[in-house]
This record gives sequence, C-alpha cells and structure tokens, in this order.
Amino acid sequence: GAVVSQHPSWVICKSGTSVKIECRSLDFQATTMFWYRQFPKQSLMLMATSNEGSKATYEQGVEKDKFLINHASLTLSTLTVTSAHPEDSSFYICSARHPGLEGGEQFFGPGTRLTVL
Amino acid sequence: RKEVEQDPGPFNVPEGATVAFNCTYSNSASQSFFWYRQDCRKEPKLLMSVYSSGNEDGRFTAQLNRASQYISLLIRDSKLSDSATYLCVVLDSWGKFQFGAGTQVVVTP
Repeated sequence: GAVVSQHPSWVICKSGTSVKIECRSLDFQATTMFWYRQFPKQSLMLMATSNEGSKATYEQGVEKDKFLINHASLTLSTLTVTSAHPEDSSFYICSARHPGLEGGEQFFGPGTRLTVL
Repeated sequence: RKEVEQDPGPFNVPEGATVAFNCTYSNSASQSFFWYRQDCRKEPKLLMSVYSSGNEDGRFTAQLNRASQYISLLIRDSKLSDSATYLCVVLDSWGKFQFGAGTQVVVTP
C-alpha cells in the first residue's frame, strides 16, 4: 500500500507548550489528508480534514484555534496542538487518500503518541 | 446510535480454527466498506476492501449485505499473528471514514 509517515512518533511535553506533528505522503501526492485522535480502547475519531491550499474542515467539537492544521504542499500536512494540556494526551494519527485508488481507501501514518505532563 | 457497530469481543480462537464476525452500519447511502487491522499501539492497516459480490484474500473472506446493512469478515486457519483488533470502516456519503470500535481477536496456541 501507499506509504504515509508521521513525525515524531512520540512526544512528551509540559502543559502549556505547543506540539507540532508532521504527516507526509511519501510516494504519492495527497490533496486531502485526515487527522484522527484515538484514546485508549476507543475507536479513531476524525478531528479534521486537511485540504491542500485551503483551510481545514474541522469536525464538530474540535477547536480550530487549538488544533492548527496546515497543508502547505501535496505531500505534507501538519497538526499543531497549541497550549497542550494533559487531556490532550492521546494517539494522533494522520491518513491520506491515494488519488489513484477509486475505492476511497485511506492509508495511515504510524501515529504520534502525545503525553502532556 | 453509532454509525458503525461491532461486537468488541474478545473472540478467543484456537490456532487453526475459523472465526467470523460482523459489523452493521446505519447509513444506507454508504459507498465503500473496508476491514482494517490494528495492532496494539499501532496505526490501522488496510486488510481488505469489501465488495458487493464478496471477496477473498488468502485466508480472509469478506462479505457485504447491503439489504441488511452489514459486512462480515471470516478468518480461516487462524494464525497466532492474526491476533489483533479488526476495524470495520465505512466510507459515508460525505466521503468520510466512519469507524467501528473494533473487534478484538485473540488466537491461542
């Protein structure tokens, strides 16, 4: 399948700091990427849809000023968790849809485990 | 009501046995259906897409029943490495992935 990378794979930070997570599609161009969050023993929850060259579309209940998304190129989307708090500790996963696949499959990055102290 | 519902399990399966489980979805306009596999503390990985005619990939068989709005996954000759959480994923009419909470499968020696 298509390859999507994420960086960093894990991060520990102090409360109040901002954390930036990068998501890259390595072997294809992705006009759309998705950001999910997964808490322990729960399913993935879509946070926002990242659109190249335009503003991200946020799901209900997700604060756009807290979770800043930038999709500056066809291979890179970034998620910045601003002023992180312990309740933001979670597994953040990005995905991208391969434009050559009509079935709509998404390929996921390896995830970033965020721990806010 | 959740968009996609799955039996959380766990399904404890002896090595070599067959296990099958279903997932139901609520939106009849859903477009595409997938099974993903997620190992503990890892990202989901695409196992297979699910087609109306049913499809098979090695030991895995997926079926779609649009009339009853469910999809199924059957694993034959279970291996220890099949132990994982299997996520039922539905692409809804807005182009968004809707995830089930996952079915945990534990294959025992």
